[in-house]
Amino acid sequence: AQSVTQPDIHITVSEGASLELRCNYSYGATPYLFWYVQSPGQGLQLLLKYFSGDTLVQGIKGLEAEFKRSQSSFNLRKPSVHWSDAAEYFCAVGDNAGNMLTFGGGTRLMVKP
Amino acid sequence: SQTIHQWPATLVQPVGSPLSLECTVEGTSNPNLYWYRQAAGRGLQLLFYSVGIGQISSEVPQNLSASRPQDRQFILSSKKLLLSDSGFYLCAWSIGTASDYTFGSGTRLTVV
Repeated sequence: AQSVTQPDIHITVSEGASLELRCNYSYGATPYLFWYVQSPGQGLQLLLKYFSGDTLVQGIKGLEAEFKRSQSSFNLRKPSVHWSDAAEYFCAVGDNAGNMLTFGGGTRLMVKP
Repeated sequence: SQTIHQWPATLVQPVGSPLSLECTVEGTSNPNLYWYRQAAGRGLQLLFYSVGIGQISSEVPQNLSASRPQDRQFILSSKKLLLSDSGFYLCAWSIGTASDYTFGSGTRLTVV
């Protein structure tokens, strides 16, 4: 069965600092990987996704993620964080049929001024 | 374009009362439909998914049930709510292979 682990429940960074949110997955084949963001009381918005090809994926809001098969990781990065980036971030892995996404527990990002 | 509607946005219900949350999708046919719950301080837990009318798969046995009476309608129900049913309920849809989900805006349920 597929699974996703986001080791950091909370992360606090200063505005302007770089950001890396960790995601590790378990899946028997080549995974489909996703990052979503959730603002308070809102649904989830897709930030980026990896299906195949270039392992460095660009997303919205200046975000990128890198798929590393050897480490079973798909970490989300941003070079300079803005206060509006404060939210909860979810990593997810999808099966080959595209019928099921399994989500990690989420990482809550707080941004200090 | 495809849209997903979920209502109500917030709901306060007493313990033991029934529940009905509705989710509808527009602009697509035969979508896969999902209900997730997010309890306070926790991640997303898949409750039910459906790949077609009348086809419901349950991921977690509990006090809730789901139905899909029409192609683009997905309903989450309970006959008697428990305090532990409180949480943020999200509906989502996907279509095709290796697709990402599109989420509704969610329903905040508080059972008192």
